[in-house]
Amino acid sequence: EDKVVQSPLSLVVHEGDTVTLNCSYEVTNFRSLLWYKQEKKAPTFLFMLTSSGIEKKSGRLSSILDKKEHFSILNITATQTGDSAVYLCAVETSGSRLTFGEGTQLTVNP
Amino acid sequence: DADVTQTPRNRITKTGKRIMLECSQTKGHDRMYWYRQDPGLGLRLIYYSFDVKDINKGEISDGYSVSRQAQAKFSLSLESAIPNQTALYFCATSDPGTPANTQYFGPGTRLTVL
Repeated sequence: EDKVVQSPLSLVVHEGDTVTLNCSYEVTNFRSLLWYKQEKKAPTFLFMLTSSGIEKKSGRLSSILDKKEHFSILNITATQTGDSAVYLCAVETSGSRLTFGEGTQLTVNP
Repeated sequence: DADVTQTPRNRITKTGKRIMLECSQTKGHDRMYWYRQDPGLGLRLIYYSFDVKDINKGEISDGYSVSRQAQAKFSLSLESAIPNQTALYFCATSDPGTPANTQYFGPGTRLTVL
């Protein structure tokens, strides 16, 4: 059974802090790993990672994948209150199926 | 206009009732998915469809059925709703032809079964 585990499950920081969210996985037929941000309702896509060691970056967010060790991290620097959300990690396997982790609830206080 | 729409957005029903949740998309994607989200459990795949004649079970299909009426429409039915089907339900679409095979989510339907 495919499994994706995220840690921590919740995190409270102050504006300006840097945070690192973790995602580890045990799946068969790995194809890609995706990060989503979920604020109020629907998740919105952040990154897709397919190769080890190549950092994807978008503004203050960045992510990297280690396929050998089966994990990924999502970094957010200089956090803002608007970064408060649930961050979801998902792994794509054959057949374009996504298995999601439980999510990390990030709260950024002013 | 939203690319992926779901109706209804909220629904309260009683145990034993039949419920249909509808999903429509204007993205032109072939692939459509239904997920449920429960606190602490992330999103779990119920059913998915890669084209009009293709239906596949996900990890938690028991108690649910689906219908892919057209490329743009994918409906989820609960034949006899039970309280543990209370959850937030998301429809999603994807297109394998794009460089990033990402899934685009609808706004969700909050279903409460009393």
